[in-house]
Amino acid sequence: KQEVTQIPAALSVPEGENLVLNCSFTDSAIYNLQWFRQDPGKGLTSLLLIQSSQREQTSGRLNASLDKSSGRSTLYIAASQPGDSATYLCAVRGVRIQGAQKLVFGQGTRLTINP
Amino acid sequence: DAGVIQSPRHEVTEMGQEVTLRCKPISGHDYLFWYRQTMMRGLELLIYFNNNVPIDDSGMPEDRFSAKMPNASFSTLKIQPSEPRDSAVYFCASSLEGKSLLEAFFGQGTRLTVV
Repeated sequence: KQEVTQIPAALSVPEGENLVLNCSFTDSAIYNLQWFRQDPGKGLTSLLLIQSSQREQTSGRLNASLDKSSGRSTLYIAASQPGDSATYLCAVRGVRIQGAQKLVFGQGTRLTINP
Repeated sequence: DAGVIQSPRHEVTEMGQEVTLRCKPISGHDYLFWYRQTMMRGLELLIYFNNNVPIDDSGMPEDRFSAKMPNASFSTLKIQPSEPRDSAVYFCASSLEGKSLLEAFFGQGTRLTVV
């Protein structure tokens, strides 16, 4: 059974810093991995999706990496801003066999950027 | 496209009452997912559909929960009778196979409170 862990559970940093959020998963047989952002009381916004064959994906100040063999992914946020404050969730999708298209989520990292 | 649309946004009901949550997926998407989010358990998959057919309902907690997808543009999640422990945020998500690699898009959620 796939398990996804995110460390740390909460992180508070001053504005302008570069930071890394970590995600680990127990079963390396994944189809892809998706990073989401969730603002308080809101839904999930997709940030980046990495295929199992890829090593990284970039979008603006965000860079996500994937090391499938070690069961790890990181989300790098450059030059953090107060507007980046949110909970960041990592989710893994299993290999494409019957019933495996579902996402398994980590518990999230609650990020606070202090002005 | 307006994205995944859920209704109502908030629902407060008394224990024992029937509750129906509604979801309109993104047009053209062939997968629809129902998730539940609580502080204790995080995001849990309840059930998902492919081309309107339920594929995996192993996450549905009890027989009190049921879900239907009568057509490609509408799904419901029903709880009957509701209990206080059902209080949570319920999310609907949709995705598409092929080039989009099953990237999931979430609705804003329905916050259910059972008193």
